[in-house]
Amino acid sequence: DAEITQSPRHKITETGRQVTLACHQTWNHNNMFWYRQDLGHGLRLIHYSYGVQDTNKGEVSDGYSVSRSNTEDLPLTLESAASSQTSVYFCASSDGGSLNTGELFFGEGSRLTVL
Amino acid sequence: AQSVTQLGSHVSVSEGALVLLRCNYSSSVPPYLFWYVQYPNQGLQLLLKYTTGATLVKGINGFEAEFKKSETSFHLTKPSAHMSDAAEYFCAVSRSNDYKLSFGAGTTVTVRA
Repeated sequence: DAEITQSPRHKITETGRQVTLACHQTWNHNNMFWYRQDLGHGLRLIHYSYGVQDTNKGEVSDGYSVSRSNTEDLPLTLESAASSQTSVYFCASSDGGSLNTGELFFGEGSRLTVL
Repeated sequence: AQSVTQLGSHVSVSEGALVLLRCNYSSSVPPYLFWYVQYPNQGLQLLLKYTTGATLVKGINGFEAEFKKSETSFHLTKPSAHMSDAAEYFCAVSRSNDYKLSFGAGTTVTVRA
């Protein structure tokens, strides 16, 4: 079955270190998204991509970057981790095109703690 | 810009009682509307969605929601709560010409025996 996987599922790091969270999907979806989940805020969009070599900033993109070199992967990089980036991160994907109904398929999340 | 407001961050119901979760949206164009559920330590799963057509939408696990354009609402209901319904529920909205979803803050449902 097609799926979307995130790694690592749990990570503890120190302030100032670079961290990369991986996201891999096997649905061949054009669209991929990174959200962070924090209590009281729901899910907030960090970055998204509508295809290879396409990346866009979401509402909370400061301190994060992404790259899309192929259809399957959208890694999220924290260039210099800050305590405010302690959160649970979710990757999601969706099909695009004229039949798009907007449904997102989510990974199981990556819990990041920045000390 | 579009936003989603979920009224009540926490709802507690008795097993067998009605579950009602409220969602209001603001959108300048006709939206697509979604309810997702998140069980502990898991990702989000789609419960149901409204895109076009019938305004009463049925989803999985006995849930349904009604799109009311005049009230800009998309409330989620289930006639009889089950212990397995304990989870966090998110309302989300997107525009028909946009692939991004905007999420509400979420409502945690607790089911009492």
